[in-house]
Amino acid sequence: GAVVSQHPSWVICKSGTSVKIECRSLDFQATTMFWYRQFPKQSLMLMATSNEGSKATYEQGVEKDKFLINHASLTLSTLTVTSAHPEDSSFYICSAPGLAGQAPYEQYFGPGTRLTVT
Amino acid sequence: GIQVEQSPPDLILQEGANSTLRCNFSDSVNNLQWFHQNPWGQLINLFYIPSGTKQNGRLSATTVATERYSLLYISSSQTTDSGVYFCAVGTGGFKTIFGAGTRLFVKA
Repeated sequence: GAVVSQHPSWVICKSGTSVKIECRSLDFQATTMFWYRQFPKQSLMLMATSNEGSKATYEQGVEKDKFLINHASLTLSTLTVTSAHPEDSSFYICSAPGLAGQAPYEQYFGPGTRLTVT
Repeated sequence: GIQVEQSPPDLILQEGANSTLRCNFSDSVNNLQWFHQNPWGQLINLFYIPSGTKQNGRLSATTVATERYSLLYISSSQTTDSGVYFCAVGTGGFKTIFGAGTRLFVKA
């Protein structure tokens, strides 16, 4: 099946710094990728849709200037948390839809990145 | 937007017991997936099932799209089945929305 990777798997940063998280589709191309955030004991909340070659689309309530998304190629999307604060500490997960024609809307998820802001 | 409700929110089973998890959704969907989230946070794809019935070992799932619900059956539960089970749906395009999950604990 399709494989999605994320890097890093965990990161600790100081308050006020920026952190970049990468999401890669390893064996397929993805013109669209999604970023989710999950707080402890809660569900996954969709943050934004990453579109290759164009601007990301953010869900209501998500600060686009704080969570910068870049989808520079058909296999890579990056999420940069700018001026991170402790309340940004969370588990960030990306996904990409699978291959068209088989299960075209099936989502494949990365392993997640645990961010801790001190 | 679409609403996704999962029940029960929590479930405790004795090893060997069977269980049924339910997912109700408020609109037509083009995608429905069941996931198991392991203790490290990884989402394990269980089923891609926008309609119909599928089985994989001790697990099976049924989606009745016209009535807007899906069921996940776990038979002969094992302690390794413990974790959180999520239902996630998509409507138009690829955007996928998650339910709140069912937290399952299987006792030895």
